[in-house]
Amino acid sequence: SQQGEEDPQALSIQEGENATMNCSYKTSINNLQWYRQNSGRGLVHLILIRSNEREKHSGRLRVTLDTSKKSSSLLITASRAADTASYFCATDANSGAGSYQLTFGKGTKLSVIP
Amino acid sequence: NAGVTQTPKFRVLKTGQSMTLLCAQDMNHEYMYWYRQDPGMGLRLIHYSVGEGTTAKGEVPDGYNVSRLKKQNFLLGLESAAPSQTSVYFCASSSPLRGEQYFGPGTRLTVT
Repeated sequence: SQQGEEDPQALSIQEGENATMNCSYKTSINNLQWYRQNSGRGLVHLILIRSNEREKHSGRLRVTLDTSKKSSSLLITASRAADTASYFCATDANSGAGSYQLTFGKGTKLSVIP
Repeated sequence: NAGVTQTPKFRVLKTGQSMTLLCAQDMNHEYMYWYRQDPGMGLRLIHYSVGEGTTAKGEVPDGYNVSRLKKQNFLLGLESAAPSQTSVYFCASSSPLRGEQYFGPGTRLTVT
């Protein structure tokens, strides 16, 4: 079952603009992660935010987490054509088994137009 | 470091044939995972392993078997392939100390 759901499904912006993607989930989590997937490639980890954190930055990426609303957002500032990719949020299973099982959403397809 | 590698990159099978997908990681990670990715479905966990000699079922385990005989390798087997198993398969690994997973490049499997 899909735990995280990204919104929008697709996003097209001009180079230099900011891109915001949202993720909603259903159950309590230990952490939420964002991954990027370029066409035909494997996923690359971008950032992890723990349930007791509200905001995290990494370079041009800013992630927020609102556990009361069970939602997260990923902001990419000053986008570049190279940011064109699909972006996925992933939540841990909170299974207590220590296996860091992740449940992925269906992704947001971002297109950055030069 | 090569990270996570997968063999083969592409494969076409006929219904009923069997095959094994190989995943190898050189990061000394304890945890390893097999996912499948279908259009519009995101990634779904097939099986995972928390250490050498251990395996467990994920969300969609039916029709697949796995083995983790060595810490660095995780094998995914299809005993009797079905068209519904046409997909892109990704292997990943992670450390119990850190939550992020490292992914391989994927295997594109078509079952006709």
